[in-house]
Amino acid sequence: SQQGEEDPQALSIQEGENATMNCSYKTSINNLQWYRQNSGRGLVHLILIRSNEREKHSGRLRVTLDTSKKSSSLLITASRAADTASYFCATGPGYSSASKIIFGSGTRLSIRP
Amino acid sequence: ETGVTQSPTHLIKTRGQQVTLRCSSQSGHNTVSWYQQALGQGPQFIFQYYREEENGRGNFPPRFSGLQFPNYSSELNVNALELDDSALYLCASSSPLTAGANVLTFGAGSRLTVL
Repeated sequence: SQQGEEDPQALSIQEGENATMNCSYKTSINNLQWYRQNSGRGLVHLILIRSNEREKHSGRLRVTLDTSKKSSSLLITASRAADTASYFCATGPGYSSASKIIFGSGTRLSIRP
Repeated sequence: ETGVTQSPTHLIKTRGQQVTLRCSSQSGHNTVSWYQQALGQGPQFIFQYYREEENGRGNFPPRFSGLQFPNYSSELNVNALELDDSALYLCASSSPLTAGANVLTFGAGSRLTVL
């Protein structure tokens, strides 16, 4: 079963616009991660936010975490055609750094040129 | 530093057959996780191996089994294949205890089709 659920399931925006994806999860977590997947390929780790952090930045990425609402958001600013991919949130539902990582169902992002 | 490599990249089997998928971990990583990803879905956790022992399992039947070797490479075996086993199988390595978090490095996957 999925631990996280992303919203929206699909998103299409114009190049240059910002893209926001949301993730909700069910149980206590150690950290939350976001991954990207180009069609039919392996996933690539983008960013990790720990349960005691509220916001984190990496280049054009901004991630927020609200543990009271069990939710996170990923913002991609100034989108580019190369950002077209599926984006997944992933959680470690436990307080061990070695806990299994559970993925959500993903948001399919399309950037229109 | 080499990444995670998986083999084969594509394979076709018939229902009832058995399959073995292989994975070489990234250098320095001692933990391997396997995922099944059906078309249009998120990756589903199958199991994780650490120090050659299974260290967590998802909701998959016993016909899904695995091994981890002393060099941290791994195999996923699936017996009595069913049509619903058709999926992309992803291997991911990590070093959670040294990194302080289970950040996964994925291979490109093995695409299994069961006819």
